Amino acid sequence: GENVEQHPSTLSVQEGDSAVIKCTYSDSASNYFPWYKQELGKGPQLIIDIRSNVGEKKDQRIAVTLNKTAKHFSLHITETQPEDSAVYFCAASITGYALNFGKGTSLLVTP
Amino acid sequence: KAGVTQTPRYLIKTRGQQVTLSCSPISGHRSVSWYQQTPGQGLQFLFEYFSETQRNKGNFPGRFSGRQFSNSRSEMNVSTLELGDSALYLCASIEGAAANEQFFGPGTRLTVL
Repeated sequence: GENVEQHPSTLSVQEGDSAVIKCTYSDSASNYFPWYKQELGKGPQLIIDIRSNVGEKKDQRIAVTLNKTAKHFSLHITETQPEDSAVYFCAASITGYALNFGKGTSLLVTP
Repeated sequence: KAGVTQTPRYLIKTRGQQVTLSCSPISGHRSVSWYQQTPGQGLQFLFEYFSETQRNKGNFPGRFSGRQFSNSRSEMNVSTLELGDSALYLCASIEGAAANEQFFGPGTRLTVL
């Protein structure tokens, strides 16, 4: 089955710096790649997603890039703020309704 | 629109018992997925339902089962509970038959003693 690896597991940045989280996937048939943010005591919240026919997508301070050849995709957060502190998960999916998640990255943004 | 509702939010059971968790998706959404979240294994897909039919199932033992009702509400059941079943169980609501965006509920925290 699909295997998604995510790095780093923890990331600490200063407010205003950029944060980058990277994921790799194993199944070349995967065609949907969402990123979720999970705050303590809450369910994951979709922050951005990308499909296999697109190489890059941006939404304000958040961007995602996809390299299908290398089977990796990355999340970029610019101008980080303390409220960006959370656990971030990448996922890959063939079907769209069964997501295979990475193990998560705990991001801490210090003022 | 109201979000995804999961009940109960917290549950304590003992080994060998069974448990039923409930999920109400966003109004108009017809598909529901279930996930198990643990510190060790992370988020793992359990199963997905659309129009009362299970379309896909993850790699979990038969003790884990689910169903969906005609109003799209879904339940999942775990029988003969084991200590390792302690986890946060998350339900996600999906709008259509093939739409990708999944909206997660707050989860049910199950503790097995």
